[in-house]
Amino acid sequence: AQSVTQPDIHITVSEGASLELRCNYSYGATPYLFWYVQSPGQGLQLLLKYFSGDTLVQGIKGFEAEFKRSQSSFNLRKPSVHWSDAAEYFCAVGARTGGFKTIFGAGTRLFVKA
Amino acid sequence: EAGVTQFPSHSVIEKGQTVTLRCDPISGHDNLYWYRRVMGKEIKFLLHFVKESKQDESGMPNNRFLAERTGGTYSTLKVQPAELEDSGVYFCASSQGLAGPYEQYFGPGTRLTVT
Repeated sequence: AQSVTQPDIHITVSEGASLELRCNYSYGATPYLFWYVQSPGQGLQLLLKYFSGDTLVQGIKGFEAEFKRSQSSFNLRKPSVHWSDAAEYFCAVGARTGGFKTIFGAGTRLFVKA
Repeated sequence: EAGVTQFPSHSVIEKGQTVTLRCDPISGHDNLYWYRRVMGKEIKFLLHFVKESKQDESGMPNNRFLAERTGGTYSTLKVQPAELEDSGVYFCASSQGLAGPYEQYFGPGTRLTVT
């Protein structure tokens, strides 16, 4: 069965420090992978996606993620965190069923300290 | 271009009552999805419409939930009668035709509280 694991429920980093959020997936075919962010009081915003091609993908707000098939991972990174990055981050895989659906991880809440 | 909109943003009802949530997808998007996040849990798929047809409703919890998409435009999700465990945030998403079904645009969600 398809699944997404985000092992860290919450992470705290200092402003200006680097960030890596972990994500592992389980999917039988070529995965379609996403990272979404939800800021307080906001909806889900797509940060970046991987469908095929270059395994290092760039997203909005200075985020990037690297697809590693051998490790079934799609970790999200940012070299320097800003206070406005405090939010909840969701890794997800797109799955084709009778229709289509997105399977989400449990989310990682990021706290940024001054 | 307007994004996905959902109404209401927040609803508080008593157990046993009925609530109807509405979603307006991005204009021209044939695919419409409903998801739910119960407190402390992950976001779970409920169902997928292609135009007015239900393509996949495997995630619907039980027959107290009824989703419709009349005319292939907006969609409603009715919960009748509501139970305490139905509390959570209900997200709607839409995407373009079959060439790009996986990139879904999400609405802000409706927070449902059943007391």
